[in-house]
Amino acid sequence: DQQVKQNSPSLSVQEGRISILNCDYTNSMFDYFLWYKKYPAEGPTFLISISSIKDKNEDGRFTVFLNKSAKHLSLHIVPSQPGDSAVYFCAASAKRSGSEKLVFGKGTKLTVNP
Amino acid sequence: KAGVTQTPRYLIKTRGQQVTLSCSPISGHRSVSWYQQTPGQGLQFLFEYFSETQRNKGNFPGRFSGRQFSNSRSEMNVSTLELGDSALYLCASRSDTTEYGYTFGSGTRLTVV
Repeated sequence: DQQVKQNSPSLSVQEGRISILNCDYTNSMFDYFLWYKKYPAEGPTFLISISSIKDKNEDGRFTVFLNKSAKHLSLHIVPSQPGDSAVYFCAASAKRSGSEKLVFGKGTKLTVNP
Repeated sequence: KAGVTQTPRYLIKTRGQQVTLSCSPISGHRSVSWYQQTPGQGLQFLFEYFSETQRNKGNFPGRFSGRQFSNSRSEMNVSTLELGDSALYLCASRSDTTEYGYTFGSGTRLTVV
C-alpha cells in the first residue's frame, strides 16, 4: 500500500515558468512533509519541509503548500531554471507517533527546458 | 564540513554471498538511517539507529541487518544475497538539533549477479 503518491512520473516546463510538483498521502498520522531533489549517481538533497501545523512554507524560489483536508501537498518552483532538472521526491513522517522513518513517493522527473 | 560518506560506491556480488556496506555520518550526527532505492519500489526505509540502538525497522526480511558503533558510524549487512537485492543503498544522518532534513550520502550501488 503506497502511503505517499506522486502521480506524475515526469514534468517538463520552460525556463522562467512555474513548476508545480504534486504529492498525495493517505496516512492521517503523517505530520511532517519534506521535498528532496536527486541528481543521477548522487544521494537525495533536502530542499524544503513543512509541518502539519502550517499550510505554506517558502524558501527562495521554492514554496511548499499543504492541504491537510485533501491530504495533498505541492512544491512550486518559481522561476524554474535548467539546473532544477532532477528527480523530486516527496516524503512524509509521523513524528508525533515517535517515528523518524521517512516514507517516500516514487518521484517526479522534472525537466526544465532552456 | 564533510558530508555523509558511504563506502564502497559500487559493488558486484554473486547470489548467496553476503555484503557489508559502511556509512560515516556527518560529525556530531547521532541518528543514522538506511534506505533502499530500486526503480520499481522507489526509496524504502530499512532501519534507523541512534546512539548504537536500533529505533526503527522497515519491512525487510531478516537477511538485512545493521549496527551502529560508538562513533556513530554504521554498517548494514545483507546475507544470502538475491538478485532482487540489487539496488542503490542510501545512508542518511541527522543532527539532534535539526528536527528534519536528513542529509544523504551518495549511496552504494549493489549489483547481485
